[in-house]
Amino acid sequence: RKEVEQDPGPFNVPEGATVAFNCTYSNSASQSFFWYRQDCRKEPKLLMSVYSSGNEDGRFTAQLNRASQYISLLIRDSKLSDSATYLCVVTRSYNNNDMRFGAGTRLTVKP
Amino acid sequence: EAQVTQNPRYLITVTGKKLTVTCSQNMNHEYMSWYRQDPGLGLRQIYYSMNVEVTDKGDVPEGYKVSRKEKRNFPLILESPSPNQTSLYFCASSRGTANEKLFFGSGTQLSVL
Repeated sequence: RKEVEQDPGPFNVPEGATVAFNCTYSNSASQSFFWYRQDCRKEPKLLMSVYSSGNEDGRFTAQLNRASQYISLLIRDSKLSDSATYLCVVTRSYNNNDMRFGAGTRLTVKP
Repeated sequence: EAQVTQNPRYLITVTGKKLTVTCSQNMNHEYMSWYRQDPGLGLRQIYYSMNVEVTDKGDVPEGYKVSRKEKRNFPLILESPSPNQTSLYFCASSRGTANEKLFFGSGTQLSVL
């Protein structure tokens, strides 16, 4: 079983739609959680960190559920420019710099 | 401009011919790391470095070497490349403490024939 698992998609949604991605992790002692965005074959870029209390950044909302060991990303009012692959990233407890990446969820927003 | 610079962007080589992919950051970051990305597998860590002269293996270190002689540079060395090392490689750096974001280089697409 992979340490970080994501639904690969693809998710094809119309502009303006709300879409949600989930990510599960197997290491219960994981400490830090992130969502990165990756455009086709380009470098990943941090979208947002995920905090225990949940956090929001504009149209994006991230949630963490430690009991069930999953994090989620909600995108409201999807834009064409949101089309990308979204990577779930988790750090191991014994080394906060030892990050584990999910394989990514691909999103395509269509006009 | 703060950045991680990786070279080359594309590289085609033959089995057994030693190669080096360079990585340099101008942000005075303590932490640097190398990843490979393959379809369906996500990014997998090859090696990482917490500071100068301090390196450690990641998940998939076999067939790779690294060095960290200076804080800004973290080259990836393939002594004898094989076709299964054909992949997209990324270098990354961060300030090295918990919850710090990673800054990635633009990637190196390596093909080993």
